[in-house]
Amino acid sequence: EPEVTQTPSHQVTQMGQEVILRCVPISNHLYFYWYRQILGQKVEFLVSFYNNEISEKSEIFDDQFSVERPDGSNFTLKIRSTKLEDSAMYFCASSAGIASYGYTFGSGTRLTVV
Amino acid sequence: AQKVTQAQTEISVVEKEDVTLDCVYETRDTTYYLFWYKQPPSGELVFLIRRNSFDEQNEISGRYSWNFQKSTSSFNFTITASQVVDSAVYFCALIPNYGQNFVFGPGTRLSVLP
Repeated sequence: EPEVTQTPSHQVTQMGQEVILRCVPISNHLYFYWYRQILGQKVEFLVSFYNNEISEKSEIFDDQFSVERPDGSNFTLKIRSTKLEDSAMYFCASSAGIASYGYTFGSGTRLTVV
Repeated sequence: AQKVTQAQTEISVVEKEDVTLDCVYETRDTTYYLFWYKQPPSGELVFLIRRNSFDEQNEISGRYSWNFQKSTSSFNFTITASQVVDSAVYFCALIPNYGQNFVFGPGTRLSVLP
């Protein structure tokens, strides 16, 4: 079964450093998403991406965050200057059509900011 | 605005007991979709079920069953004859028709004791 692949599975970074989380969505999917889950809390929407641009973003997705699809296969989330409160599990997801048909989530990247 | 409530933060049962996880949602949309995801200790999000707002039939899949009651805005999930491998956090989620993003509930942590 096709998978959404996220790398790395765990990343530790120093506060203030830039970090890039990488995702390879399912190849024929057109819609891409990032979600965040702070430890022990619910999963929260960050951003959706379609046709090479952001289609929707939440209040969490401020100027510190950016997304990119640099080469037609990868989908990245960049955090420019990490804060302690950015420590969380970050999930990438993709869908073939509209979101209400459901997504395929990746297995997540656990980001720890120290 | 959409909201999903899972009032049970944690539940513990002994193996082979039946357990029901509650989910109550709020939305003004007439068309919407409800989901359940399982998050085992390894952290990934595992899709369990999708249900649209026009389909109030209950569904059974093996030991899992779902009861959707539009009149009470509830979409409850029952595990029959629970097993230790069912131990996980379970999330209920909502997405409106043509919406971009899931609204997740806070999750219910289920511990099944041997």
